[in-house]
Amino acid sequence: NAGVMQNPRHLVRRRGQEARLRCSPMKGHSHVYWYRQLPEEGLKFMVYLQKENIIDESGMPKERFSAEFPKEGPSILRIQQVVRGDSAAYFCASSPFPGQISGNTIYFGEGSWLTVV
Amino acid sequence: GENVGLHLPTLSVQEGDNSIINCAYSNSASDYFIWYKQESGKGPQFIIDIRSNMDKRQGQRVTVLLNKTVKHLSLQIAATQPGDSAVYFCAENKSNDYKLSFGAGTTVTVRA
Repeated sequence: NAGVMQNPRHLVRRRGQEARLRCSPMKGHSHVYWYRQLPEEGLKFMVYLQKENIIDESGMPKERFSAEFPKEGPSILRIQQVVRGDSAAYFCASSPFPGQISGNTIYFGEGSWLTVV
Repeated sequence: GENVGLHLPTLSVQEGDNSIINCAYSNSASDYFIWYKQESGKGPQFIIDIRSNMDKRQGQRVTVLLNKTVKHLSLQIAATQPGDSAVYFCAENKSNDYKLSFGAGTTVTVRA
């Protein structure tokens, strides 16, 4: 039973380019969360999605960032016109249940490390 | 070894000793807390959790203590091993909420 799969694991982009990060949740999980971890900091919530719906994007910057979770395929976090400050680790997590989560029901992927040069 | 005060970013501990990692949480409405371990280049890994109706919970080699009066959480690791070297995060959550709020983390280094 594969865990949460993220790719690419490492991505280098020049300023102004686009970054696309993909997340395949665990089998049977239909709730996906994206978190960002800046260097030397804890994870910060960005967005919560269910299939074809954005439930809460309150943690996502208003410009340049977007997320989707289509009916088929992985969830995508898209960052347009990247800047140096976007350099971070982006983690995806998934859970089988909506609403309240627990340590035993939310699982994190290994992350995608974005470096903007 | 122990980090004291609100939060210190690093903790160095001798192999075999006990470790105590402290965390001050911010939201008095939080009623669920999780400790995560993050090894270099990897995602957070669940260690142990505790709900606010408890003040202590034990797992294998780990114990979490919760003091709601001062909004303080600690993780105790018994007989620390080299494989325990990692960054440890506390995370807080409110009932019926899907968001986790993470602390800044403590880097634990185990000396052989």
